[in-house]
Amino acid sequence: DAKTTQPPSMDCAEGRAANLPCNHSTISGNEYVYWYRQIHSQGPQYIIHGLKNNETNEMASLIITEDRKSSTLILPHATLRDTAVYYCIVRVHEGYQKVTFGTGTKLQVIP
Amino acid sequence: DAMVIQNPRYQVTQFGKPVTLSCSQTLNHNVMYWYQQKSSQAPKLLFHYYDKDFNNEADTPDNFQSRRPNTSFCFLDIRSPGLGDAAMYLCATSSQSTGIEKLFFGSGTQLSVL
Repeated sequence: DAKTTQPPSMDCAEGRAANLPCNHSTISGNEYVYWYRQIHSQGPQYIIHGLKNNETNEMASLIITEDRKSSTLILPHATLRDTAVYYCIVRVHEGYQKVTFGTGTKLQVIP
Repeated sequence: DAMVIQNPRYQVTQFGKPVTLSCSQTLNHNVMYWYQQKSSQAPKLLFHYYDKDFNNEADTPDNFQSRRPNTSFCFLDIRSPGLGDAAMYLCATSSQSTGIEKLFFGSGTQLSVL
């Protein structure tokens, strides 16, 4: 797996957009960017993934820079329930590749 | 509709007393993983099964073993738990059939060692 770097913690006001950055400067051309989050005392939950185009689903948006060396997960209107640790992971789709987690970003949504 | 089920949710064992944690899935996924997560740390991969093929991480202690009798079930056996093995144990599954290999996690088993 390519290495990823995330800030250890961030705060966000409730109702505002939360922008969580991830650096993956050694990403390969066939590696996708995945985001998971882990709410306290629960298993991690898949959020979104992308290769090079921006992606959006019901949970979040993913913005990947043109050089693919970094990405940003956007929660457009953060709620208290979005308080969690967010993990950015890069991996290929072809063949099999085990999933290892980095340290992630602890997002605290503040009322 | 729980898809990856871990039992029990909380497990207390004594120092040195063997313990087994279980995981079942209704997704028919061919890959199953076991992660260990200690307080305030990221999940750490212990081992995984790709179909029936067992893959052990190099730094997983010999004290940890696993069994996968069929596609749906996977077990984590800790032969002689030590105090340092107290952690959350997470089971996850994935499938390559869709070409999108996202992981589905269970709620975890919190293991305490007394």
